[in-house]
Amino acid sequence: AAGVIQSPRHLIKEKRETATLKCYPIPRHDTVYWYQQGPGQDPQFLISFYEKMQSDKGSIPDRFSAQQFSDYHSELNMSSLELGDSALYFCASSQSRGNEQYFGPGTRLTVT
Amino acid sequence: GESVGLHLPTLSVQEGDNSIINCAYSNSASDYFIWYKQESGKGPQFIIDIRSNMDKRQGQRVTVLLNKTVKHLSLQIAATQPGDSAVYFCAERGSGGGADGLTFGKGTHLIIQP
Repeated sequence: AAGVIQSPRHLIKEKRETATLKCYPIPRHDTVYWYQQGPGQDPQFLISFYEKMQSDKGSIPDRFSAQQFSDYHSELNMSSLELGDSALYFCASSQSRGNEQYFGPGTRLTVT
Repeated sequence: GESVGLHLPTLSVQEGDNSIINCAYSNSASDYFIWYKQESGKGPQFIIDIRSNMDKRQGQRVTVLLNKTVKHLSLQIAATQPGDSAVYFCAERGSGGGADGLTFGKGTHLIIQP
């Protein structure tokens, strides 16, 4: 079965640079979620989109922004990167809000 | 603030034994709870979920129990196998209508000993 696709899988950036992470949800899923997981930490919810509109907002820094496009894929834009942004970033998708969330393999971001 | 937490960071069990992973949550308004399994370097994998109008749900080799009185959630894994070794997270979602991001608890690392 098709799963959530995230790209790139690994990304290395320097402080103050920008990064863009991409997420392609499971076909026919209209809701995407972004989570950040620091080393040894539990995933923290950042933001979600339903039908291309922001649905819920968690602990997303102001330096980050995200959007969902007409084909339902989503991008997380991160600017002025800090060392503390080094983490695994997961995207999840669901078929409409409130249903089971399926997670992608994650993007490992390293900020040096 | 509201949070979901786990009691033990590491649980070691013998292969073939049953294991129980516990979770305490504090948001009494939560209406949906999920258990995820995360293997090293991979994304969380859905195991089983339960809604607040239920107190027990069974899957294949797994059972989730929900005690709303004491705000406690548990995951029982029967006849553990080496492939069950992973970090297990409980997660909850509030019932605030629009609050659809999940709040994860601290993971429990399940180690299966041969």
